[in-house]
This record gives sequence, structure tokens and C-alpha cells, in this order.
Amino acid sequence: DAGITQSPRHKVTETGTPVTLRCHQTENHRYMYWYRQDPGHGLRLIHYSYGVKDTDKGEVSDGYSVSRSKTEDFLLTLESATSSQTSVYFCAIRPSERNYGYTFGSGTRLTVV
Amino acid sequence: DAKTTQPPSMDCAEGRAANLPCNHSTISGNEYVYWYRQIHSQGPQYIIHGLKNNETNEMASLIITEDRKSSTLILPHATLRDTAVYYCIVGGLGAGSYQLTFGKGTKLSVIP
Repeated sequence: DAGITQSPRHKVTETGTPVTLRCHQTENHRYMYWYRQDPGHGLRLIHYSYGVKDTDKGEVSDGYSVSRSKTEDFLLTLESATSSQTSVYFCAIRPSERNYGYTFGSGTRLTVV
Repeated sequence: DAKTTQPPSMDCAEGRAANLPCNHSTISGNEYVYWYRQIHSQGPQYIIHGLKNNETNEMASLIITEDRKSSTLILPHATLRDTAVYYCIVGGLGAGSYQLTFGKGTKLSVIP
């Protein structure tokens, strides 16, 4: 979607290696989110950010860390990837707490072998 | 725990109205009803939202019952491109970070 870019789009990595996924926005939105999507589970929130250096955990945060050093970038890091982290990861942005619509990125398909 | 209940799947003939139901019997007074959809392998797309009045935009209409315990998303003239998973979500607005909790949604198949 316009204004939000995820990279890489696809990645295969080995168990135990660190992985960083990037979400970049050009909309200057305050809120950014990382979700994962797995068959049978729908979308589950991993971490979110409500401003530069302000982040908090979602429902499935174990094994993940995030950083937001500037408004436009929200990084998701898997410190030591495991096969259970094989998933499709979506980033989303939202302008403010009074805005109703999230804009989602195109997703990153991560495979941990 | 899911705040909403949706049928897992529905079919609709192309050109007909698609009516997607959602139950949200535990919705609180300040919570909105949101609808998103996800076309295969893409990120979810916002469709519409409402509090208690019926809403309409260029994509769809949202009908919320008077007691707010259920709602229906209406796609007036479904096309093949409307085949997707549709998510009904309830949540509030306010200060601080607000997140949407996605359930499993309804898989809508539009049939030629």
C-alpha cells in the first residue's frame, strides 16, 4: 500500500540466526504495529509503537524485540530464529488514536529452516 | 478471547448482495465495530466502521442492530474481486495505544 513498505518481502534463514524485518512509512504516522499471521490463527499482534522509542508488547511477543529510533522506521528482530517463527509478518500504521483505519503493508514471508 | 463471532465461510453469486453477519454480544458502549478484509496473501484492508448508526461508503454498508449486539456488512453488488476473508472487529478509541484484535473472519467466495 502507498506509504508503507516492508523489507525483505521473502526471507529464508536458519534456526538460531538473528533476523531483522523492517517497516518503513512515509506518512509520518504515530502508531506502528507488527503482526504475524499463521494458518488457523488469524492475525496476532507481536509488538506496537506509539512514538519514537515508545514500544509495548502484544499477545505473542516472546522471542521478538522491536525498535523505533525514528518515526518512519519500525524494526522487528528475532534474536535467535526458531521454526515456530516461520510465518507471514505484517506491519501496520495508524495516524492517531482517534483514527479508525489501519494501513497494512504487503507482508514479509519468513521461513526458518 | 474473541469478542466477535462470524461464520467461517459464505458463498455469494456474482452481482448479488453479500451479507456478512457478525455477533458481538459483549460490546461495550464506547466500542466501535470495524470491518477489514484480506485478499489472498495481501495485507488487510480497512472497509468501514460504525458506533451505533448505520454507515455507508463507496465499498460497503454497515448495519448495526439497535442493541448493538450484532451487525451486518453488506457488499451491494459482489464481484469476483470481493473474494476474501472478512474480519469483524470491535474496539474502542481513546488516548494511548489502541490495537485491533483480529479473529479468524469469514471467508467469502464470490461465485461466477
